[in-house]
Amino acid sequence: EAGVTQSPTHLIKTRGQQATLRCSPISGHTSVYWYQQALGLGLQFLLWYDEGEERNRGNFPPRFSGRQFPNYSSELNVNALELEDSALYLCASSLFGDYGYTFGSGTRLTVV
Amino acid sequence: QKEVEQDPGPLSVPEGAIVSLNCTYSNSAFQYFMWYRQYSRKGPELLMYTYSSGNKEDGRFTAQVDKSSKYISLFIRDSQPSDSATYLCAGKGQGAQKLVFGQGTRLTINP
Repeated sequence: EAGVTQSPTHLIKTRGQQATLRCSPISGHTSVYWYQQALGLGLQFLLWYDEGEERNRGNFPPRFSGRQFPNYSSELNVNALELEDSALYLCASSLFGDYGYTFGSGTRLTVV
Repeated sequence: QKEVEQDPGPLSVPEGAIVSLNCTYSNSAFQYFMWYRQYSRKGPELLMYTYSSGNKEDGRFTAQVDKSSKYISLFIRDSQPSDSATYLCAGKGQGAQKLVFGQGTRLTINP
């Protein structure tokens, strides 16, 4: 069974640009979660999607947005990139109601 | 105050030692508690989960939750160099989907 896959692995953007990160969940999983892992700050919850709907949002500005497609894959968009957006962005998936998530390996976003 | 507090370390111990990793939490609604292990340049992987208070053992790993003191622990027996990683604790409320993570503790097991 394929795990959670994220692309690209690395992304380098210039301040002010937009970044698009992609995530494919485990087959059959309907919930997708996005977390930001910045150096020294642990995992910060960004967004939760289930059945195509945004269910919950963390304490991040509106320039962080995303969507979930009918096949349950998901996209995270970060507009007007700032230097402090440099971090590892992790996607996870689960069945609704599962106790734990399965994470992908992440996308390392560097803003210069 | 963060909902889940975890000492970031780093923690360095010799091979074969018993390792104790700890977290505290403030949200009384948390019912599910998890430990994840994250190797360098990888995503976190689920190690253990427990429901409410009590102990759970899986091989060399034991997870312990004390809800009265809001304290979560992970014990690693006979530690191996391959256990060197960052360990993250997390909590979740009943019916909630969002996992709240601690900062993670970086652990190094020295041969």
